[in-house]
Amino acid sequence: NAGVTQTPKFQVLKTGQSMTLQCAQDMNHNSMYWYRQDPGMGLRLIYYSASEGTTDKGEVPNGYNVSRLNKREFSLRLESAAPSQTSVYFCASSEALVRAGYEQYFGPGTRLTVT
Amino acid sequence: KNQVEQSPQSLIILEGKNCTLQCNYTVSPFSNLRWYKQDTGRGPVSLTIMTFSENTKSNGRYTATLDADTKQSSLHITASQLSDSASYICVVTPGGGGNKLTFGTGTQLKVEL
Repeated sequence: NAGVTQTPKFQVLKTGQSMTLQCAQDMNHNSMYWYRQDPGMGLRLIYYSASEGTTDKGEVPNGYNVSRLNKREFSLRLESAAPSQTSVYFCASSEALVRAGYEQYFGPGTRLTVT
Repeated sequence: KNQVEQSPQSLIILEGKNCTLQCNYTVSPFSNLRWYKQDTGRGPVSLTIMTFSENTKSNGRYTATLDADTKQSSLHITASQLSDSASYICVVTPGGGGNKLTFGTGTQLKVEL
C-alpha cells in the first residue's frame, strides 16, 4: 500500500517549457488535490477533484490545468512554465471532501525549478 | 480574508522537554481544525482533526486543544524526541460548504540533545 505517489521528485524547466506532474493513490479515495508550497507561505490549493470526472479551481489555478484520468490518477499540467511557478507541489487525496472532516493524505512532493 | 496565524515561527527545545505551539485563526464559519507534522522534504502528515464542538484531542504525545470562542488552538508535545523535529502546521476547514483549507505557515521545531 504505497498511499499517494508523485512523479517526478525533482524537475528543472526553462521558461516556456511544458510538463505534467503525475499523482496516483491506491486508497480508493474519491477526492484528490494539488497544492503548491512556497517559502514563508502556507500550502495553497491549485485545483481539486471531488470525484472521478469532476475538477474545480482552487485558490491559485492560473497557469495550470488538471486531468482526473481515473479514480486513482490526477495530473497537473504546466503549459508554459514561468519562474513564478518554482515551488514544491504536493498531491493529496481523501475519502471524500475535506470539509466533512475526512483525513487528507499527502504525497512526497515534486520540487520544480523554472529558470 | 480568512487567515491562520501560528506562533512562534521557530522553536528550539532540549530532548525530553515539553512545548506548546499556538494557532490563531479568523476563518468563519469554521468546520474543523487540523494539525499536521511535516518533516523536511516530505509531505504533511495528519496529527489531529477537531470539529468546532471538540475541546481536546490526543495522538500519543501530541495533544491539541481548541477554543472556538476565542478562535485559538494549541498543540502540546510531551517528552519531546529528536524525531519531533519538523514543521507543525495548523489548518482550518471553512464551514458553509467551502472545500478550500486555509493553511498556516507553520512552526519550525528543532529538538536538540
